[in-house]
Amino acid sequence: SYELTQPPSVSVSPGQTASITCSGDKLGDKYACWYQQKPGQSPVLVIYQDSTRPSGIPERFSGSNSGNTATLTISGTQAVDEADYYCQAWDSSIVVFGGGTKLTVL
Amino acid sequence: QVTLRESGPALVKPTQTLTLTCTFSGFSLSTSGMCVSWIRQPPGKALEWLARIDWDDDKYYSTSLKTRLTISKDTSKNQVVLTMTNMDPVDTATYYCARLSPVAGTAYMDVWGKGTTVTVSS
Repeated sequence: SYELTQPPSVSVSPGQTASITCSGDKLGDKYACWYQQKPGQSPVLVIYQDSTRPSGIPERFSGSNSGNTATLTISGTQAVDEADYYCQAWDSSIVVFGGGTKLTVL
Repeated sequence: QVTLRESGPALVKPTQTLTLTCTFSGFSLSTSGMCVSWIRQPPGKALEWLARIDWDDDKYYSTSLKTRLTISKDTSKNQVVLTMTNMDPVDTATYYCARLSPVAGTAYMDVWGKGTTVTVSS
């Protein structure tokens, strides 16, 4: 079965750029999306189709996908961005999630 | 405005069957391309995709759980139902439903319900 691998944790200082990676075999041949989940809340879509931001998502969120790695980048990270982030892709008609990355802003 | 709401028992006993209902509004599951998925999240753990049902009644299941899952829809009631048999304490989780919206070549879960917490314990 297809697997997506994320680092368990990433730390960033306020105002700096955070990069969260998601690795999978030939992931660049698929579309990736990203969800943000804060404690006690439902996931929120922040990037779809590799790099498209849904309405209402700040411009500091961006995405890319090439080769075996998709990357979520948060520019000018703010304290409010501290959350768990999950990548997601499709394996045929099956949804696959990464294991999640806890972003700490300190 | 699109909303989804999960409902079902908060507590089930081991070996019992769990039935969850997702009631949605703001879109129709009769619309070409629309789908609804179920996802769960054990306490402190990652998201796990469970199942999906499409506008044309096609159904897809997690490879690891497909023998225990059944998904169905009632378009007239705007509901999607998920049943999971032979519940075990490891199935304790928050269960979410989400709308899957199509876009060229893919689909994404753009609206999620608030989730319902299910505990499996005798």
